[in-house]
Amino acid sequence: DAMVIQNPRYQVTQFGKPVTLSCSQTLNHNVMYWYQQKSSQAPKLLFHYYDKDFNNEADTPDNFQSRRPNTSFCFLDIRSPGLGDAAMYLCATSTGQGTNEKLFFGSGTQLSVL
Amino acid sequence: GENVEQHPSTLSVQEGDSAVIKCTYSDSASNYFPWYKQELGKRPQLIIDIRSNVGEKKDQRIAVTLNKTAKHFSLHITETQPEDSAVYFCAASPAGGSNYKLTFGKGTLLTVNP
Repeated sequence: DAMVIQNPRYQVTQFGKPVTLSCSQTLNHNVMYWYQQKSSQAPKLLFHYYDKDFNNEADTPDNFQSRRPNTSFCFLDIRSPGLGDAAMYLCATSTGQGTNEKLFFGSGTQLSVL
Repeated sequence: GENVEQHPSTLSVQEGDSAVIKCTYSDSASNYFPWYKQELGKRPQLIIDIRSNVGEKKDQRIAVTLNKTAKHFSLHITETQPEDSAVYFCAASPAGGSNYKLTFGKGTLLTVNP
């Protein structure tokens, strides 16, 4: 009954080699978020989509891009991964119909950069 | 911007004891304080939240208290059980804000020993 699905659970890439992480949702939520979580740190919001409107956080590096081709899918593209980009990447959704809504998280993708 | 400090980073209790996790925030405009639980290998899930017009909220064995003057809020778990073992994250966001304004604490690893 997974509602926010992330693939793959574990991703290994090489330094500088582009990588794409995937997220899909069956909730039909308007808003999709990407968070980066490094070991023993708080989840950090990278960007979010409200429908097709993209909202980037001011401190998100240009190396990180996102695509949302339709309501159900959202992708995180890392153009040239560095060692510092190794982290857990969490996708989340919310309805977008109110404020301070409940976030529905995926299980995350653990990215390793060699 | 908002800064959320969470303590302790690890907490170990015996089954049946109580556990308390504390968070402080810096932005007096913050008005919404959710708590998320993340079990090992699983996704974060909202367990309880509180808004600043309420000082305390309880849901079975879980309670959250808020002191707006001191800018701190706490999670209380009574009669702990092994299945309460997880990482707990507090968060804060401003009044009328959306989830993209949510700032997380670094998390507390709670271990309940049988």
